[in-house]
Amino acid sequence: GAGVSQSPRYKVAKRGQDVALRCDPISGHVSLFWYQQALGQGPEFLTYFQNEAQLDKSGLPSDRFFAERPEGSVSTLKIQRTQQEDSAVYLCASSLPSKRLADTDTQYFGPGTRLTVL
Amino acid sequence: RKEVEQDPGPFNVPEGATVAFNCTYSNSASQSFFWYRQDCRKEPKLLMSVYSSGNEDGRFTAQLNRASQYISLLIRDSKLSDSATYLCVVNYGQNFVFGPGTRLSVLP
Repeated sequence: GAGVSQSPRYKVAKRGQDVALRCDPISGHVSLFWYQQALGQGPEFLTYFQNEAQLDKSGLPSDRFFAERPEGSVSTLKIQRTQQEDSAVYLCASSLPSKRLADTDTQYFGPGTRLTVL
Repeated sequence: RKEVEQDPGPFNVPEGATVAFNCTYSNSASQSFFWYRQDCRKEPKLLMSVYSSGNEDGRFTAQLNRASQYISLLIRDSKLSDSATYLCVVNYGQNFVFGPGTRLSVLP
């Protein structure tokens, strides 16, 4: 079956430009996560949705970052007035929460969007 | 102090060698633990979950020490295809925290 897809795969933006990054999770997956990965670092959590509800946005670095998942499926991460420090790979992951508390859900990652801000 | 710490490496080992990575975490409320593998310019992929009793999957063995708050990954008989970055992941609730990763290069 289809995995997590993200678009665009690459985005070059001029400083100050707004960008929108899209994530299509695996069909039926309830949970969706956005991460930011800088070069040579591990992914850093940005935000988490369960269906359409954004349950945690504590990792968003500033109010220029905004994420939505209005119908509980596709999600968009928007960055306004991009800055050079926003250059990174933005990864989306989805998972299907287990009914058993003892289980933890495997996250399936998309290929990421590599954002370069000039 | 970062929540999840790993030696960034790189670890350069010959084919067939045994190599071990450690990872320490600071949040004692952490519930679940994983090792992910990330190839260059690719997305992370789950390698294995880490259970309290320790678990093995072929050439890979993972151990968890809750008292000392560290996780280990052992790779036996390493292959060229094992070259990648290995990410330690710690979870509590729906909060997944990744370490910075340890880079492994297996040399012919």
